[in-house]
Amino acid sequence: EPEVTQTPSHQVTQMGQEVILRCVPISNHLYFYWYRQILGQKVEFLVSFYNNEISEKSEIFDDQFSVERPDGSNFTLKIRSTKLEDSAMYFCASSGRMNTEAFFGQGTRLTVV
Amino acid sequence: QKEVEQNSGPLSVPEGAIASLNCTYSDRGSQSFFWYRQYSGKSPELIMFIYSNGDKEDGRFTAQLNKASQYVSLLIRDSQPSDSATYLCAVRPGGYQKVTFGTGTKLQVIP
Repeated sequence: EPEVTQTPSHQVTQMGQEVILRCVPISNHLYFYWYRQILGQKVEFLVSFYNNEISEKSEIFDDQFSVERPDGSNFTLKIRSTKLEDSAMYFCASSGRMNTEAFFGQGTRLTVV
Repeated sequence: QKEVEQNSGPLSVPEGAIASLNCTYSDRGSQSFFWYRQYSGKSPELIMFIYSNGDKEDGRFTAQLNKASQYVSLLIRDSQPSDSATYLCAVRPGGYQKVTFGTGTKLQVIP
């Protein structure tokens, strides 16, 4: 069964460092998303991406965040200068068509120290 | 006003019983509704989606949607201990691609 894969599963970084979280969406999907979940809190939307551009973003997704689809398979989330409060699980998701269900990857646990 | 509201629980049901999970949402223009299951430390796993008023059944799961009341529910029949998890209600507001999640209801199925 096709699935969304994310790497790494756990990333520890020092405050102020740049991190790149990687995702391989389901191969025939067209819509890609990043969500995050701070420990004990709800899943929060960060950004959606379609046709090689950001289609929607939340207030969390400020200038420190960026997304890219560098090739035909990968979808990345970059945090330029990490802060302690960026520590969370980051989930990548993809969907095949607009307004349909999204399938989540297993997540990357980001710990900023 | 919270966009998607769920009772945090825990909801405890005995094995074999029906578990009923409820969710209300604030955006009357919402089009798509999802139930995800999340085990501790894991990612959300899609259980059901529903787009039209009424009931939708898939195996032991039934999703119910009432747009007039802005209410969506999930029924789990013949609950099993392996169903013990947090169930996340998620709603796609009208005109958006993002999905807004509730805080989740923790379900405990007692053997």
